[in-house]
Amino acid sequence: GAGVSQSPSNKVTEKGKDVELRCDPISGHTALYWYRQSLGQGLEFLIYFQGNSAPDKSGLPSDRFSAERTGGSVSTLTIQRTQQEDSAVYLCASSPRQGPLYGYTFGSGTRLTVV
Amino acid sequence: AQSVSQHNHHVILSEAASLELGCNYSYGGTVNLFWYVQYPGQHLQLLLKYFSGDPLVKGIKGFEAEFIKSKFSFNLRKPSVQWSDTAEYFCAVNANTDKLIFGTGTRLQVFP
Repeated sequence: GAGVSQSPSNKVTEKGKDVELRCDPISGHTALYWYRQSLGQGLEFLIYFQGNSAPDKSGLPSDRFSAERTGGSVSTLTIQRTQQEDSAVYLCASSPRQGPLYGYTFGSGTRLTVV
Repeated sequence: AQSVSQHNHHVILSEAASLELGCNYSYGGTVNLFWYVQYPGQHLQLLLKYFSGDPLVKGIKGFEAEFIKSKFSFNLRKPSVQWSDTAEYFCAVNANTDKLIFGTGTRLQVFP
């Protein structure tokens, strides 16, 4: 597609439920990044994919968070047993090659609210 | 570990005022530096970037930033802001990794 597409754009979930957030990168972009944007916290790196593998998952805050990428394209970020502190905007970005030197294109994000 | 500090959390200016947003990073080696902007209701987009060469970098919409290695800084400037510059601005650094580390952002409000 023309840009990075994220779905859903908004998600309200009850504490303890699992959620899945989806990212469709720009076609042909091999690198894909997940960030979390919380009020006053800036953008927090979560995980990075090169193709289908994740060389860097150091930013995942707990084992409740996981992500996968299939076919070198779509990625899904899963949060299990959601907590209120998981409320944030989850941003996805893609890049033609690994590393930010080639330019990140960001999606519009998924706003997650845990009630 | 790399980190980025943006000390101005919220800046309020009148149109035509000059702007300088601070950005400091902590990493002693070679760095690549970026400023991203997020206009209300829009996605993050690149404003400008520094990889090497001339430390004064010019970006879109009249913005520029100066890399001062001795001060570990990459401040963003604009001589005369417009109402349309109202947005959140993020400084980011990349050094020896495949990811960007972002600062906490500065919210700029420009009043006509």
